[in-house]
Amino acid sequence: GQNIDQPTEMTATEGAIVQINCTYQTSGFNGLFWYQQHAGEAPTFLSYNVLDGLEEKGRFSSFLSRSKGYSYLLLKELQMKDSASYLCAVRDDRDDKIIFGKGTRLHILP
Amino acid sequence: ETGVTQSPTHLIKTRGQQVTLRCSSQSGHNTVSWYQQALGQGPQFIFQYYREEENGRGNFPPRFSGLQFPNYSSELNVNALELDDSALYLCASSSGGLGDEQYFGPGTRLTVT
Repeated sequence: GQNIDQPTEMTATEGAIVQINCTYQTSGFNGLFWYQQHAGEAPTFLSYNVLDGLEEKGRFSSFLSRSKGYSYLLLKELQMKDSASYLCAVRDDRDDKIIFGKGTRLHILP
Repeated sequence: ETGVTQSPTHLIKTRGQQVTLRCSSQSGHNTVSWYQQALGQGPQFIFQYYREEENGRGNFPPRFSGLQFPNYSSELNVNALELDDSALYLCASSSGGLGDEQYFGPGTRLTVT
């Protein structure tokens, strides 16, 4: 089976750091994506991990542990515009299908 | 701007009708994927087309069908609409490489009454 779990909602303060976790159980694995989706808009690509470790891109970093079926997205120096849903998605290596989690709604407080 | 366009933006249909949604992929992209996103949920994979052939399908019934054209634009057709088909339908294009990021279109909001 295929299952991706992430928290439904999180709240953090402007300027702070927040970590959004994602665990997955999939039949096949060929990479994990993080997307950002503002309300009423299309998802936009943030990061891709296929090997274990940390990928850093500006204020955003993404970590992957394949043996644990675990990833996190780290957002630093939070800004109000970071209020959005963050989607974790896994690519299945059997058919290249990308499976999305339900998303984590992040609320940023001033 | 991602370059992926979808039409129409919004659509209202009644139960039992048929609908066709359209997507123009970003220039240079030969792979198109379609997703259904219900309110408060993540996108659910419907199917993917690569060079005019379906090469992956999610858990959707056969009344969901698609096409990809030589210019790599794509259509999603849904027959015998049901109330639960009400959702945002997203199209995403990519160049087909592993890890290649998908560029999403703005989506079509379908309401079935």
